[in-house]
Amino acid sequence: GENVEQHPSTLSVQEGDSAVIKCTYSDSASNYFPWYKQELGRGPQLIIDIRSNVGEKKDQRIAVTLNKTAKHFSLHITETQPEDSAVYFCAARTSGTYKYIFGTGTRLKVLA
Amino acid sequence: NAGVMQNPRHLVRRRGQEARLRCSPMKGHSHVYWYRQLPEEGLKFMVYLQKENIIDESGMPKERFSAEFPKEGPSILRIQQVVRGDSAAYFCASSPEGRPDTQYFGPGTRLTVL
Repeated sequence: GENVEQHPSTLSVQEGDSAVIKCTYSDSASNYFPWYKQELGRGPQLIIDIRSNVGEKKDQRIAVTLNKTAKHFSLHITETQPEDSAVYFCAARTSGTYKYIFGTGTRLKVLA
Repeated sequence: NAGVMQNPRHLVRRRGQEARLRCSPMKGHSHVYWYRQLPEEGLKFMVYLQKENIIDESGMPKERFSAEFPKEGPSILRIQQVVRGDSAAYFCASSPEGRPDTQYFGPGTRLTVL
């Protein structure tokens, strides 16, 4: 069945450094890849997304890259700040469906 | 514009009782999705509904779980005869017509089964 693997499960970086989170999906028909940030006690918040016809997308300090051939996509956060500390989830959605398949999450800790 | 609302935020039930979780989608959204999150895990899709219709329930357990989205009122996720393994956070998301990519999540209901 469809599967999304996410690494690492935990990540600690110094404030100002970059953080990279990687995901791999199994269904080659997947065509939409959102990233969510989940803070303690809250629901996931969409922070950036990318579609399969695009290789890279950037929004200020956040960027996402997609390699369709390898079925990899990654989240890049530059100049990290303490408020970036949260759990980040990647997800994949297959064309023609509404179901998101989520990764297992990455707990990011930005050390001041 | 209020976001997706869920209530209660926390729910405690004893084994064998029923749990009813409510979700009010964002204004103008007619599509609702329910996900379950076990501790330290990602979200797992359960069911997708439109008003008065279940579109995809492939993630719902075959027994004890049901969902509805009536013409009027919130969507309800109902768990009968709860067991300890049902303890989890249940999230609802909604999306506008024709925009399934854009799912906005509610704050979740944390169910604890004693």
